[in-house]
Amino acid sequence: SQQGEEDPQALSIQEGENATMNCSYKTSINNLQWYRQNSGRGLVHLILIRSNEREKHSGRLRVTLDTSKKSSSLLITASRAADTASYFCATVAQGGSEKLVFGKGTKLTVNP
Amino acid sequence: GAVVSQHPSWVICKSGTSVKIECRSLDFQATTMFWYRQFPKQSLMLMATSNEGSKATYEQGVEKDKFLINHASLTLSTLTVTSAHPEDSSFYICRLRGRGETQYFGPGTRLLVL
Repeated sequence: SQQGEEDPQALSIQEGENATMNCSYKTSINNLQWYRQNSGRGLVHLILIRSNEREKHSGRLRVTLDTSKKSSSLLITASRAADTASYFCATVAQGGSEKLVFGKGTKLTVNP
Repeated sequence: GAVVSQHPSWVICKSGTSVKIECRSLDFQATTMFWYRQFPKQSLMLMATSNEGSKATYEQGVEKDKFLINHASLTLSTLTVTSAHPEDSSFYICRLRGRGETQYFGPGTRLLVL
């Protein structure tokens, strides 16, 4: 079953602007991961944040995690046309399960 | 280079035929393999989890007799879509779990059933 819910479902911005995508989940998690998928292609792992972490950075990416609100956000700064893709959050539940459950995704379009 | 391969990358078949999709780890031993399905413009849905040498565990709503999973070794898992129908047309992706948090996704297999 799908756990994560991303919003917005679709986001269109201009190159150079920042893009923020949010993800909410329902159960307690071990970690939360963000992935990128170009149209019709495989997944690219972007970043993993553990339940005891609040913020993580990787290049132009910034991820936050609020376990009290069961939510996470992905910020892409200074966006580029090449960032156009679908972005998914995925969670690993607490308790030893190795299942990775994906949210519905946000389709980001960066216009040149 | 790629650490996980899937074969074939795309396949078109007639309704009623069976299709086998291979997911192969190229340079590490995968203790656990997962199969996902993704319909157009939708997210990835977990179908089943398999450990080497044991029967796969299927998610609710996934027919185990229709989607046969064989985790033959630590480097190979196969998904066979039996008697495929047009509604089985989808993008099938494997995910391999190695030691610790190491994990990799395959590049996916696009199945089109006519």
